[in-house]
Amino acid sequence: NAGVMQNPRHLVRRRGQEARLRCSPMKGHSHVYWYRQLPEEGLKFMVYLQKENIIDESGMPKERFSAEFPKEGPSILRIQQVVRGDSAAYFCASSPGSSGQETQYFGPGTRLLVL
Amino acid sequence: AQSVTQLGSHVSVSEGALVLLRCNYSSSVPPYLFWYVQYPNQGLQLLLKYTSAATLVKGINGFEAEFKKSETSFHLTKPSAHMSDAAEYFCAVSGRGGSEKLVFGKGTKLTVNP
Repeated sequence: NAGVMQNPRHLVRRRGQEARLRCSPMKGHSHVYWYRQLPEEGLKFMVYLQKENIIDESGMPKERFSAEFPKEGPSILRIQQVVRGDSAAYFCASSPGSSGQETQYFGPGTRLLVL
Repeated sequence: AQSVTQLGSHVSVSEGALVLLRCNYSSSVPPYLFWYVQYPNQGLQLLLKYTSAATLVKGINGFEAEFKKSETSFHLTKPSAHMSDAAEYFCAVSGRGGSEKLVFGKGTKLTVNP
């Protein structure tokens, strides 16, 4: 049973470019969460999605960041016009349900470096 | 609002010694609590979770944690450290109802000395 998959694992972008991060949840999971990890920081929640719906985007920066989880295909976190401060590890997690006690299973992360 | 405080960003123990990683939480509702481990350049792996059943929770790799409501704590322990336990450990809290995002502490990096 494959775990949560993220690609690419490493992504290098120049300032002003776009970054697209992909996440395929575990089989049977319809709930996806995105977190960002900055150096020396814990993980910070960004957005929670179910298929075709954004449920909670309270952690998303107001500009340049967007996320989707289409009916078919992976969840996408998109960062437009990247800046150096966007350099971080971005983790996706999935769960089978939305109860707070459900375990969130994490992918290996995408490490974004903005030059 | 929920929050987690992990005391000690770095903890160093000798192989075979007791591991104690501290976590205190703040929550306006009865919390669910989690400990995750992260090895270098990898994602997070669940060690154990508290979901209001037994207050002493046993997890993988010999770790356990005790939920103490009066102290708002959920400290992680292991009786005897192994070299392979060297990693970063994160405590997290989630609520009940609605979007069940995890709120993480800043993490504790565990070093195990031979």
